[in-house]
Amino acid sequence: ETGVTQTPRHLVMGMTNKKSLKCEQHLGHNAMYWYKQSAKKPLELMFVYSLEERVENNSVPSRFSPECPNSSHLFLHLHTLQPEDSALYLCASSRGLAGTDTQYFGPGTRLTVL
Amino acid sequence: GENVEQHPSTLSVQEGDSAVIKCTYSDSASNYFPWYKQELGKRPQLIIDIRSNVGEKKDQRIAVTLNKTAKHFSLHITETQPEDSAVYFCAAGSGGSYIPTFGRGTSLIVHP
Repeated sequence: ETGVTQTPRHLVMGMTNKKSLKCEQHLGHNAMYWYKQSAKKPLELMFVYSLEERVENNSVPSRFSPECPNSSHLFLHLHTLQPEDSALYLCASSRGLAGTDTQYFGPGTRLTVL
Repeated sequence: GENVEQHPSTLSVQEGDSAVIKCTYSDSASNYFPWYKQELGKRPQLIIDIRSNVGEKKDQRIAVTLNKTAKHFSLHITETQPEDSAVYFCAAGSGGSYIPTFGRGTSLIVHP
């Protein structure tokens, strides 16, 4: 499969559960990102990775824990989430880490926290 | 840092009309301006972008214009069709920033 893929596409979890979101890019890119997209809110950048190193954490609560084992894979580990964390979580990648590099988005994981 | 303002937040047009979405940015160093389209339940996808060495770029029914002096850029869609209905995001970026900064999005509704 080409482009950026994400699994699962939909996830329902209780506040005490632990789950992980997975992102994979097949574009040979060096940078990967997690965004949160809530209804009627702008895209919120959560984490930025370049060559498997985290370069930015946008004041994200510790109940979200990212992991980037290699430049093609990115995970978001979730634990003790709150209902307000329900949102669409988008992964993206770009060739390099620069504001002039096009971002390519995955299809997203629709997360519902009960 | 960069600040991108996007207007309007909602735009409703009749099929066949033109639609214009405007964005302003604050950082004069920005030189890359992409536009993304996000259909309901789908991912944001790049539809057109412009770099600061050009003032206008066209691709069939869509065009983007850039005014670097005024720090604003616009997306123009002509002969709109119902399948153009989506949320459109603008963004602005420079080589000195990690990523482009996104606008808040415009929900375009094209009525048949």
